[in-house]
Amino acid sequence: GQQLNQSPQSMFIQEGEDVSMNCTSSSIFNTWLWYKQDPGEGPVLLIALYKAGELTSNGRLTAQFGITRKDSFLNISASIPSDVGIYFCAGHLSSNTGKLIFGQGTTLQVKP
Amino acid sequence: DGGITQSPKYLFRKEGQNVTLSCEQNLNHDAMYWYRQDPGQGLRLIYYSQIVNDFQKGDIAEGYSVSREKKESFPLTVTSAQKNPTAFYLCASSIRDSTGTEAFFGQGTRLTVV
Repeated sequence: GQQLNQSPQSMFIQEGEDVSMNCTSSSIFNTWLWYKQDPGEGPVLLIALYKAGELTSNGRLTAQFGITRKDSFLNISASIPSDVGIYFCAGHLSSNTGKLIFGQGTTLQVKP
Repeated sequence: DGGITQSPKYLFRKEGQNVTLSCEQNLNHDAMYWYRQDPGQGLRLIYYSQIVNDFQKGDIAEGYSVSREKKESFPLTVTSAQKNPTAFYLCASSIRDSTGTEAFFGQGTRLTVV
């Protein structure tokens, strides 16, 4: 199936540092979504992006929909211990909006 | 409260038995999805449905079956043909429109086959 390549796979950072992760694909997307998952729980939506070039913030989180519609990034500023978890990008393909596919996830660990 | 509910949270079954996982939503969403998550892995799409009485295979549909008889419900059956069924299963729903919208998840069902 179609793939979203998410990187980095994992990050171990100091509290207070900024974090950046991204997703790329060879396919064009109509929508980019960013989720956070805590252990044993379902993913929770953080940010949704709908237009190429769109830059959206949610507190310390900022995400952008790439101009080419084939990539997106998520930044977390001034990380805190509760930011620990797995972050996923997801998107609806422009060729078939019924199918929502996910990246492999970025595991974030924050050292107090 | 509006939301999406999966049950049970933990499920144990003997090898060779079929098992059905429940997913119910009261968000009036048209589209519903089932994903499988293995330890340290991303979410892989099993089946999805955009409207009642219609569904499509995802990337790993073999050994699974679904039905969509009601808008609110999208149960997933893990059959004995699924070679490695032990996993964390996640259900999601979203509004169906031409551009694609955000999907919301249930809390997941952890299936263990012994």
